[in-house]
Amino acid sequence: NAGVTQTPKFRVLKTGQSMTLLCAQDMNHEYMYWYRQDPGMGLRLIHYSVGEGTTAKGEVPDGYNVSRLKKQNFLLGLESAAPSQTSVYFCASTTIQGTGSPYEQYFGPGTRLTVT
Amino acid sequence: LAKTTQPISMDSYEGQEVNITCSHNNIATNDYITWYQQFPSQGPRFIIQGYKTKVTNEVASLFIPADRKSSTLSLPRVSLSDTAVYYCLVGAIPISNFGNEKLTFGTGTRLTIIP
Repeated sequence: NAGVTQTPKFRVLKTGQSMTLLCAQDMNHEYMYWYRQDPGMGLRLIHYSVGEGTTAKGEVPDGYNVSRLKKQNFLLGLESAAPSQTSVYFCASTTIQGTGSPYEQYFGPGTRLTVT
Repeated sequence: LAKTTQPISMDSYEGQEVNITCSHNNIATNDYITWYQQFPSQGPRFIIQGYKTKVTNEVASLFIPADRKSSTLSLPRVSLSDTAVYYCLVGAIPISNFGNEKLTFGTGTRLTIIP
């Protein structure tokens, strides 16, 4: 049981390049999230998904797209990278308890992205 | 969004009890309060969650007053391994209203345990 894994761990992009970050979870969780964390800052929600084929915007969605074609995978895409997207990206997943509580999110190890 | 405010940093000696307070004046009726711990170069890890009054588990206690505008994470008898950043998260999952999820992490409290 690997939990939540993220690929790649590090990446350097030039401005205007594109890339896709992959998040995979093996816990059969329904909910998956993408966050970004800037130096000295808390985590900010980019996009999330409540199930296969569904996605929704979080607090800072601009410049990113996501897809959830399979329940276990959640992809985060940057179509045209900008230096402002230099950050550490965390993926998380959780399961529905049906009570409305945010319950426990399981986080991946993060992807450190630098855009020059 | 329910914004949260935490102290930027705290120091404590080993063996002491540490209390970290989070302010969330705009907390909504459906919001829960969740605390996470984060070590350098790692993702956050769940510590404890509550809605009101007091919650206790094997690692921490969470105190929430009646007005729910703040909460206090209590770590008993801290050790060097408790040195980390602690985040207060306020939000809820409106299961019946997908697309309206609001989860707000604070800026975190950097806790340093001194030998």
